[in-house]
Amino acid sequence: SAVISQKPSRDICQRGTSLTIQCQVDSQVTMMFWYRQQPGQSLTLIATANQGSEATYESGFVIDKFPISRPNLTFSTLTVSNMSPEDSSIYLCSVSGARNQPQHFGDGTRLSIL
Amino acid sequence: AQSVTQPDIHITVSEGASLELRCNYSYGATPYLFWYVQSPGQGLQLLLKYFSGDTLVQGIKGFEAEFKRSQSSFNLRKPSVHWSDAAEYFCAVGEPSGQNFVFGPGTRLSVLP
Repeated sequence: SAVISQKPSRDICQRGTSLTIQCQVDSQVTMMFWYRQQPGQSLTLIATANQGSEATYESGFVIDKFPISRPNLTFSTLTVSNMSPEDSSIYLCSVSGARNQPQHFGDGTRLSIL
Repeated sequence: AQSVTQPDIHITVSEGASLELRCNYSYGATPYLFWYVQSPGQGLQLLLKYFSGDTLVQGIKGFEAEFKRSQSSFNLRKPSVHWSDAAEYFCAVGEPSGQNFVFGPGTRLSVLP
């Protein structure tokens, strides 16, 4: 399966600032996804990162708050904008290479906002 | 819309005992089912998947799961638990395209020495 690297692995940020999380895959993949995992909770899909076009956001998530880029088939970024303590979560990147394939996850970015 | 339930929030077993984690799903077509494990401070690791065919699937680390369509279940089992199995376990259902994964709420497994 693909090797997925997320950076940073963790960060502590000030309220009102923004942080960009990077997701790098060691091979070209069809689909890339961004999830949020709030403390003690399950995973919630934020958006599907589409190569060469705007991301597809799930209900409750908007581009102004979580802008996403995907310039090629191996790389994507998620920005968490104007952060508040409620944004303290683990943010996970996942990829799927082809039809009938599971999603594989990076180790996540643990974000705390003071 | 598809959904996944994991009735057990927290399970504690003794090392060497057998384990069964429950998962029930709701899906309109043939489901694609998965079990993932998340160790503390880690991302999610795929344990096993079911797409079609044999309803008993083998995974990594000695885990297996059985798909029962009549019960809409995909329970995870292991005959003898090791202390390193202590983690959070997530059941998920998805589409063949690889999209629209829905995760269950998770079951936290604790292992007693």
